[in-house]
Amino acid sequence: DQQVKQNSPSLSVQEGRISILNCDYTNSMFDYFLWYKKYPAEGPTFLISISSIKDKNEDGRFTVFLNKSAKHLSLHIVPSQPGDSAVYFCAAESAGGTSYGKLTFGQGTILTVHP
Amino acid sequence: DGGITQSPKYLFRKEGQNVTLSCEQNLNHDAMYWYRQDPGQGLRLIYYSQIVNDFQKGDIAEGYSVSREKKESFPLTVTSAQKNPTAFYLCASAGPSRPDTQYFGPGTRLTVL
Repeated sequence: DQQVKQNSPSLSVQEGRISILNCDYTNSMFDYFLWYKKYPAEGPTFLISISSIKDKNEDGRFTVFLNKSAKHLSLHIVPSQPGDSAVYFCAAESAGGTSYGKLTFGQGTILTVHP
Repeated sequence: DGGITQSPKYLFRKEGQNVTLSCEQNLNHDAMYWYRQDPGQGLRLIYYSQIVNDFQKGDIAEGYSVSREKKESFPLTVTSAQKNPTAFYLCASAGPSRPDTQYFGPGTRLTVL
């Protein structure tokens, strides 16, 4: 049962353009969402997060949008740079109950930014 | 310099042997986590610990064991009972507030021959 899904295994974007990475979830108990960036053979690096009480959070070139009714979130990178090429994971957490502190990850999307 | 360290970076073992992966953090974080990553898949939670001397099974705990005797250390043992141990193992830690961002170590690539 995949509770967090990233349906696009890969995305290719031209440098300077916008990259949009998508993530869907099924568990309505999730109320905190994160995006991580990962290079091969390295640990994930935290990028940006959003609480379910918000619908948008922005940090420099990175913006995360949350649509609770659709159970969908997206990460926008503007402008995209070649150094952004990596695997991007979305993750979700529910604040209470037995899932306290546990992250559920999507499968990841490989982003390639071409010069 | 605060952070999470995992050692070794690469580890090779023969089938049937137990192996222990190290994870140390000096971030003064209460919570620590172990994940496994397989090709084309997301990270799956093996075990986690919210406080010293306490830990909980994650989604794929079978064939693994952990201990949390010190706040800064959370070693993972991959036992011979784990049917597919070859994978990339990641350790993470987080502060006491919820929600709180989990920060990851560099990972250990385990290959069982």
